Amino acid sequence: AQKVTQAQTEISVVEKEDVTLDCVYETRDTTYYLFWYKQPPSGELVFLIRRNSFDEQNEISGRYSWNFQKSTSSFNFTITASQVVDSAVYFCALTLWADRGSTLGRLYFGRGTQLTVWP
Amino acid sequence: NAGVTQTPKFQVLKTGQSMTLQCAQDMNHNSMYWYRQDPGMGLRLIYYSASEGTTDKGEVPNGYNVSRLNKREFSLRLESAAPSQTSVYFCASSERTLGYEQYFGPGTRLTVT
Repeated sequence: AQKVTQAQTEISVVEKEDVTLDCVYETRDTTYYLFWYKQPPSGELVFLIRRNSFDEQNEISGRYSWNFQKSTSSFNFTITASQVVDSAVYFCALTLWADRGSTLGRLYFGRGTQLTVWP
Repeated sequence: NAGVTQTPKFQVLKTGQSMTLQCAQDMNHNSMYWYRQDPGMGLRLIYYSASEGTTDKGEVPNGYNVSRLNKREFSLRLESAAPSQTSVYFCASSERTLGYEQYFGPGTRLTVT
């Protein structure tokens, strides 16, 4: 079975602090994809990044960076110099590449981390 | 491009009433999904459609039905609403089912009294 755990339910930081959101996943498959989504207070879900299981290279996009480590089954997300506009719920998700009899293409979501950035 | 659109944005139903949530995408995606989001639960898959003409159950299908009307549209129907179906409903689409990111609509906030 697949599972995604985001142990941090809520995080509060002050603007300009760096913050890391943790994501740990479980799967027996060797081919899978990991995602991060952002849900701002307005409620929509915004896709941030997709990473496949064969690509452990870290990725940086502006103030955002992602650290994928298969050895620890983690896909952590760091925001550098946080801003008030980063306040949102962030979801980590997993999908399998192959159909294992479970729901084809299903995204397995973590429960989300509420990030609040104070001015 | 509008992406994924959903109607209505808000709805209040009484127990036992029925309604259909509409979803449309203009990205020529093959796969479409319906999720529900409850506080502290993340998102759970209700039904999905891997391609036009096919639909399958997700994690929490009971009390719902779906129709993939054409490639663009995927509707979710509640035949007899129950308070347990009070939730925020999201429609999503992706280019293909396996391994592709899903793009979400703005959501429908449904309250069943």
